[in-house]
Amino acid sequence: GDSVTQMEGPVTLSEEAFLTINCTYTATGYPSLFWYVQYPGEGLQLLLKATKADDKGSNKGFEATYRKETTSFHLEKGSVQVSDSAVYFCALMTGRRALTFGSGTRLQVQP
Amino acid sequence: GAGVSQTPSNKVTEKGKYVELRCDPISGHTALYWYRQSLGQGPEFLIYFQGTGAADDSGLPNDRFFAVRPEGSVSTLKIQRTERGDSAVYLCASSPSRERGYTFGSGTRLTVV
Repeated sequence: GDSVTQMEGPVTLSEEAFLTINCTYTATGYPSLFWYVQYPGEGLQLLLKATKADDKGSNKGFEATYRKETTSFHLEKGSVQVSDSAVYFCALMTGRRALTFGSGTRLQVQP
Repeated sequence: GAGVSQTPSNKVTEKGKYVELRCDPISGHTALYWYRQSLGQGPEFLIYFQGTGAADDSGLPNDRFFAVRPEGSVSTLKIQRTERGDSAVYLCASSPSRERGYTFGSGTRLTVV
């Protein structure tokens, strides 16, 4: 079945550091890939997405590139801020139309 | 409304009791999804509605769980004979189409004591 594997957290960084959160997936067919973010006390929000191989999703300074050859969708940001502290979820969607999520990675950014 | 509304936001119930959780999707969104998120985990799919019908209920864990969407808008997730293991945050999401992704509600935190 479909599955998503994310690096375990928490990831602790200083402000302005470079961020990478690794995500790999297993799926039948050609999934769409997503990153969702959950800020403290808030609901899940779509951060970015990519629907086909080599697509790059981007939003709020975050980027992720759909790599079919390595079945990966790693999340990156060049300079994190304290306000980026949250839990980040990688997810995929296949023709079944239901999202399959990873277990989440908590990011803590220190001033 | 502007977003997906879920009520109640918190529910504490005793083991063995029946509970109903409500989801009010964004107006015009034909697709509605229920997920369950246990502590420290990602959301797990429960059921998906397209209009009034359940297009995929393969994620429901057992026959104590049931969901309806009688008029293609509001949905209710029903849990019979609750167990402590049912404690989780139950998330609802709606979508106008696959390409545009989901909007999630803030969830209902269910605690079974």
